[in-house]
Amino acid sequence: GESVGLHLPTLSVQEGDNSIINCAYSNSASDYFIWYKQESGKGPQFIIDIRSNMDKRQGQRVTVLLNKTVKHLSLQIAATQPGDSAVYFCAETPTGANSKLTFGKGITLSVRP
Amino acid sequence: KAGVTQTPRYLIKTRGQQVTLSCSPISGHRSVSWYQQTPGQGLQFLFEYFSETQRNKGNFPGRFSGRQFSNSRSEMNVSTLELGDSALYLCASSLAPQDGYTFGSGTRLTVV
Repeated sequence: GESVGLHLPTLSVQEGDNSIINCAYSNSASDYFIWYKQESGKGPQFIIDIRSNMDKRQGQRVTVLLNKTVKHLSLQIAATQPGDSAVYFCAETPTGANSKLTFGKGITLSVRP
Repeated sequence: KAGVTQTPRYLIKTRGQQVTLSCSPISGHRSVSWYQQTPGQGLQFLFEYFSETQRNKGNFPGRFSGRQFSNSRSEMNVSTLELGDSALYLCASSLAPQDGYTFGSGTRLTVV
């Protein structure tokens, strides 16, 4: 993907609305995907993962959708709260000896009160 | 249970020096990965260790090295520091490769 440099794309949503964060991945061999949330001064926090034998997985207030045909991953957050404000990263990895997490550039989610 | 612990949290070094960063994984986790995070390049994979063996390595120069001990604790070393090595260095642990990675809070390295 393109280099974002110091400025990450920003998604601004109203508190209580649903948020959808999208991610395009590049490696067709990837079969394990994770969404992370990173708050200022902290390491990435695991949100939810999905393997390639699934196209949807739900957690608490979050849903991950995987479309392998177009290599697209999305994270849906229901009833977005101010505490959801953070940078969100998708990560992908193939199975086997070459497994390593490759991260997307990140998207900033800003929740308006 | 305790999370992934990285020490130190902050470090300031001079160009040309070397540095060693430490990572203690979650108890029972045998896989440890290291990542470099910068505003320009984002999160980039450095290397992964599993059961004391380097399993995979990213595209970083040989100045970056690591190791894992029998208790799964890991260290990474950067020699001959350059200004561009200033970054947040993150460690992640998992039970096994590709099994949910939990990150520590990172070590913020500043090279002056």
